[in-house]
Amino acid sequence: DAGVTQSPTHLIKTRGQQVTLRCSPISGHKSVSWYQQVLGQGPQFIFQYYEKEERGRGNFPDRFSARQFPNYSSELNVNALLLGDSALYLCASSFGTGQFQVGYTFGSGTRLTVV
Amino acid sequence: ELKVEQNPLFLSMQEGKNYTIYCNYSTTSDRLYWYRQDPGKSLESLFVLLSNGAVKQEGRLMASLDTKARLSTLHITAAVHDLSATYFCAVDMSPGNNRKLIWGLGTSLGVNP
Repeated sequence: DAGVTQSPTHLIKTRGQQVTLRCSPISGHKSVSWYQQVLGQGPQFIFQYYEKEERGRGNFPDRFSARQFPNYSSELNVNALLLGDSALYLCASSFGTGQFQVGYTFGSGTRLTVV
Repeated sequence: ELKVEQNPLFLSMQEGKNYTIYCNYSTTSDRLYWYRQDPGKSLESLFVLLSNGAVKQEGRLMASLDTKARLSTLHITAAVHDLSATYFCAVDMSPGNNRKLIWGLGTSLGVNP
């Protein structure tokens, strides 16, 4: 069975540009969460989506947005890129939501470098 | 706001010896996760701890949870080189139905022969 797949694996962008990152969850999983991991730090929560609805948003500026599609895949968009957006972006897939959300499987991540 | 503190942040281990990583968190939570991350790689799930007193073991690693003390420990028995990695604890916050993981800074483990 395929795990959580993310694309692209690596990306280099210039300040001010926009980027779209993609995630496909494990088959049967309806919840997708996005995390940002800056080098040397723990991941920071960005968004959670369940059944195409936003269920949580972390402390990130409005330049960050996301959506989930009917097939439960998800996109994370970042506008007006800053150097500080350089990080590993991780997508996590889980089966349920709320009290039924136990266990998160992470994809391999997209490493974004902003120059 | 929930804060998660891990210590130590760095641990240089000798092969064959035992060590413990501590994870303290500041508010009530009903579940805690331990993950492993190798350099440049993603996060590998190690343990999910769901209740007070929960103890789980896998190979040389054993994790426990004390929700009253807001403390989880990851115990390493007889360290071997393959355990070299960064280990994170993550506490599951649930403001209503909106669960999210709050992470510690990670503990970087190195094993010396």
